[in-house]
Amino acid sequence: ETGVTQSPTHLIKTRGQQVTLRCSSQSGHNTVSWYQQALGQGPQFIFQYYREEENGRGNFPPRFSGLQFPNYSSELNVNALELDDSALYLCASTAGRSSYNEQFFGPGTRLTVL
Amino acid sequence: GENVEQHPSTLSVQEGDSAVIKCTYSDSASNYFPWYKQELGKRPQLIIDIRSNVGEKKDQRIAVTLNKTAKHFSLHITETQPEDSAVYFCAASIPRAGNMLTFGGGTRLMVKP
Repeated sequence: ETGVTQSPTHLIKTRGQQVTLRCSSQSGHNTVSWYQQALGQGPQFIFQYYREEENGRGNFPPRFSGLQFPNYSSELNVNALELDDSALYLCASTAGRSSYNEQFFGPGTRLTVL
Repeated sequence: GENVEQHPSTLSVQEGDSAVIKCTYSDSASNYFPWYKQELGKRPQLIIDIRSNVGEKKDQRIAVTLNKTAKHFSLHITETQPEDSAVYFCAASIPRAGNMLTFGGGTRLMVKP
């Protein structure tokens, strides 16, 4: 198992609500990426944080936002939840921004939007 | 942006047989190609990766090949075992995008005893 942890494990929300998901990166890792994995599909990149700054963003609307803290843990915030936001949200931590660096995934947060 | 296609979506083999999963990518700048295994309800775990300056890499029963000209890469699993049953994802990474991964759609591998 990796040292990446996520909370909560499961979450149920209703349309229009807001949600905050949390990720603690592996010790020594300063880069955190967030992915959305819909049922039966591959993970889709949301955004990446490197040393507290956004370092890249995928094709997700602005209601998906994030933060990275000085200890390199991270939050993913989603506003105005939609039914299609139901998915497994994965964070992955890396030691640096190089494309060769292995990404270590957390166990994910399963979000259900009703 | 990068696009990764993966085939087949499902693959069923007998225990002991070989399994091959193929992926193609669109951006010639991609230089890192990891493969992840995801068991039901669990996190994706890296099983093997290859860099663009290498054509083939092997780790025990698992091997990956890369053809940069054709922009495709493949995962080969020999002597399959029931515990190899899982969903496998290929991915590609582009230097200008940091280490953002673009994943394929996944292959569900079922190894029948």
